Amino acid sequence: DAKTTQPNSMESNEEEPVHLPCNHSTISGTDYIHWYRQLPSQGPEYVIHGLTSNVNNRMASLAIAEDRKSSTLILHRATLRDAAVYYCILRGAGNTDKLIFGTGTRLQVFP
Amino acid sequence: GAVVSQHPSWVICKSGTSVKIECRSLDFQATTMFWYRQFPKQSLMLMATSNEGSKATYEQGVEKDKFLINHASLTLSTLTVTSAHPEDSSFYICSARMGTAAQPQHFGDGTRLSIL
Repeated sequence: DAKTTQPNSMESNEEEPVHLPCNHSTISGTDYIHWYRQLPSQGPEYVIHGLTSNVNNRMASLAIAEDRKSSTLILHRATLRDAAVYYCILRGAGNTDKLIFGTGTRLQVFP
Repeated sequence: GAVVSQHPSWVICKSGTSVKIECRSLDFQATTMFWYRQFPKQSLMLMATSNEGSKATYEQGVEKDKFLINHASLTLSTLTVTSAHPEDSSFYICSARMGTAAQPQHFGDGTRLSIL
């Protein structure tokens, strides 16, 4: 399985943008880049995913490097509710593929 | 949309008891459901993958006779922890997906299992 590397932790102040990096140098051409986050004592929550082009939704933006070996999750204005562990995961396009969670990045947001 | 409901959210029981956890996709048909376990301060560990109407595929090191998975319909999967012991105490989380692996997984809120 192609692996991802993320910083263990990051900090941000409320209302500021947050850029969460993810390296995936062994990504294959058919791997999608998925981001999930997990708030304390809850199940993970889907954030965004993409293949080659940058993606935007109501929660975040995903910027994918041209060579696809890295990506960045962008939270445009952090809120206290965004404090969570963020997971960057590669998934193949086959029907039987599964999510393998790494250690993720713990984001702290300060008021 | 894409809501996954997990029940119960919290259970405490005596050692030796079997415990059943339900996972339902409320507003979509889930072609595949997954079961995870998470110990305190650790990441999620995939236990098994189940497709409706077929036997679950267990990850290496997960005892299939200990953790029974049934996926009888496109909206319901159950995990039964048989003869539970204190070391089985954990946070169990299910997820469901429709379509291909390119589609997101939608997670339940988890079941905290405590075995006394």
